[in-house]
Amino acid sequence: EPEVTQTPSHQVTQMGQEVILRCVPISNHLYFYWYRQILGQKVEFLVSFYNNEISEKSEIFDDQFSVERPDGSNFTLKIRSTKLEDSAMYFCASHGQGNEKLFFGSGTQLSVL
Amino acid sequence: LAKTTQPISMDSYEGQEVNITCSHNNIATNDYITWYQQFPSQGPRFIIQGYKTKVTNEVASLFIPADRKSSTLSLPRVSLSDTAVYYCLVGDEGDSSYKLIFGSGTRLLVRP
Repeated sequence: EPEVTQTPSHQVTQMGQEVILRCVPISNHLYFYWYRQILGQKVEFLVSFYNNEISEKSEIFDDQFSVERPDGSNFTLKIRSTKLEDSAMYFCASHGQGNEKLFFGSGTQLSVL
Repeated sequence: LAKTTQPISMDSYEGQEVNITCSHNNIATNDYITWYQQFPSQGPRFIIQGYKTKVTNEVASLFIPADRKSSTLSLPRVSLSDTAVYYCLVGDEGDSSYKLIFGSGTRLLVRP
């Protein structure tokens, strides 16, 4: 089965630093997403991306966050100045056309110290 | 987006059939019902999706009554490895995204 690939699997950073989380969605997919999950809590929607622009974003996705698809394969989430409360597992997801199933990556565990 | 309600947790034993029911009273006409499974420290994994009546695949069945205000995920003969959190989600494909909102899910514990 095709996979969404995320790197790194674990990222440790200092508060106030910038981090970039990387994702390679499935090659023929058109819709891309970032979700996050704080330890012990539910999976939260951050942002959706289609046709090279943000389609929707949640209240969590403030000005500190940005997404980019710099080339034909990568999809990145940047947090400009990390806060302690940004510590979470970040999941990238993608799907093709229609009501297709969403494929999730295995996540990047971000730890902000 | 329709809100979903499902039991917080369920216990079962190996070999039993498990049915997890989800209510979605405000489901919209275009909404599909999708179930995901999540193991600790892993991303959610698609289990099954349906619109109405019954859908069956190699791992589960999904029962949706005519009014579509609820759905039941049925896992036949569960094993220890089915211990996970199960999420019921309702949504449709908008013009440019297919935003899925996760609820708290149902923690299924399968005992030997």
